[in-house]
Amino acid sequence: AQKITQTQPGMFVQEKEAVTLDCTYDTSDQSYGLFWYKQPSSGEMIFLIYQGSYDEQNATEGRYSLNFQKARKSANLVISASQLGDSAMYFCAMREGGGAQKLVFGQGTRLTINP
Amino acid sequence: ETGVTQSPTHLIKTRGQQVTLRCSSQSGHNTVSWYQQALGQGPQFIFQYYREEENGRGNFPPRFSGLQFPNYSSELNVNALELDDSALYLCASSLGLGGGFANTQYFGPGTRLTVL
Repeated sequence: AQKITQTQPGMFVQEKEAVTLDCTYDTSDQSYGLFWYKQPSSGEMIFLIYQGSYDEQNATEGRYSLNFQKARKSANLVISASQLGDSAMYFCAMREGGGAQKLVFGQGTRLTINP
Repeated sequence: ETGVTQSPTHLIKTRGQQVTLRCSSQSGHNTVSWYQQALGQGPQFIFQYYREEENGRGNFPPRFSGLQFPNYSSELNVNALELDDSALYLCASSLGLGGGFANTQYFGPGTRLTVL
């Protein structure tokens, strides 16, 4: 069964610093996708970045990058030059191939950016 | 292009009642997935609809049911509400089935259900 583990319940970072949010996953599938979502206090899940299991290069999207280490089954999110608006819950999720295209989420990391 | 919308925003019900939550998918998307997010937890998959057919279900009892309409909007119905059903219910739409970035799920703002 697929599983996502986020070991950091909370992170506190100074504004403008870079931050890395950890995510490890477990799956027996060869084909899968990894996602990061941001959830502000309003509740909406905002898609940030995607990494496919066959992608050889790490995904990047503006200030977000995904440090994908397939052998270690890790998919850490890196936010460069953090901003106050980055304060939110961050969820790592995985989608396996075949059947229902469901997302399996981790427990999340609450990121707080201090001015 | 309109994003995923959900209604109502908030809902308060009592134990034993029934509730219907609604979701309009993003333009061009034919797949809708529903998730339940309890306080302090990650979302849990309830079920998914693809072109009006259920395409998979998570570990939820039959009193959780759904529908998808020809315009790909969707409803989540919960019968015989229990206190543990209190949660944020999230709807997500995607272009279709299959892997890849193209079928990323985009979420609506959610419906917060409180069962008293």
